[in-house]
Amino acid sequence: AQTVTQSQPEMSVQEAETVTLSCTYDTSESDYYLFWYKQPPSRQMILVIRQEAYKQQNATENRFSVNFQKAAKSFSLKISDSQLGDAAMYFCAYRSAGTASKLTFGTGTRLQVTL
Amino acid sequence: EPEVTQTPSHQVTQMGQEVILRCVPISNHLYFYWYRQILGQKVEFLVSFYNNEISEKSEIFDDQFSVERPDGSNFTLKIRSTKLEDSAMYFCASSPGLAAYEQYFGPGTRLTVT
Repeated sequence: AQTVTQSQPEMSVQEAETVTLSCTYDTSESDYYLFWYKQPPSRQMILVIRQEAYKQQNATENRFSVNFQKAAKSFSLKISDSQLGDAAMYFCAYRSAGTASKLTFGTGTRLQVTL
Repeated sequence: EPEVTQTPSHQVTQMGQEVILRCVPISNHLYFYWYRQILGQKVEFLVSFYNNEISEKSEIFDDQFSVERPDGSNFTLKIRSTKLEDSAMYFCASSPGLAAYEQYFGPGTRLTVT
């Protein structure tokens, strides 16, 4: 079974600074997808960014980018120019390549953004 | 933009009662999921549903749980006899199908069992 580990329960960053959230995973599969979801206080799960395992290029979405290291099974999220609205829980998630595959989530990292 | 909706937003029930949580997935989506999140914990998979049958279920999804797509638009999760430990946020998600891999989440239903 796949597992996802987020070793940072809480992180803090100053507004306009950069922060990196860590995620590692364990799998024996070669084809899969990785995601970062944001959960603000409203508790809605919002997709931030996704990475296909077969792609060597790291995904980027505006201020959000990932560092995907397939051999190390590492998938960190970098948030640049942090904004107050980035404050939330961030969950790393793994999904097998099958069409109806479930998401397996990590325990989350709570990000605080300070002035 | 189409979105997944869930009702009610908050449900309070007494232990032993049956509850039905409702979801309306995005209209052209084919795969449906339920997840739950106990307060302060991670999101856990419950069940996936495709072509009117369960594709996969977790250990949590025991005989007290059932899912149904009664009318082609709604997707429901029923808990037959609620326990205190069923108190959680329940999220519905849907996905378009073969070529797509993103699951779109609804806003969740907060279930409180007293």
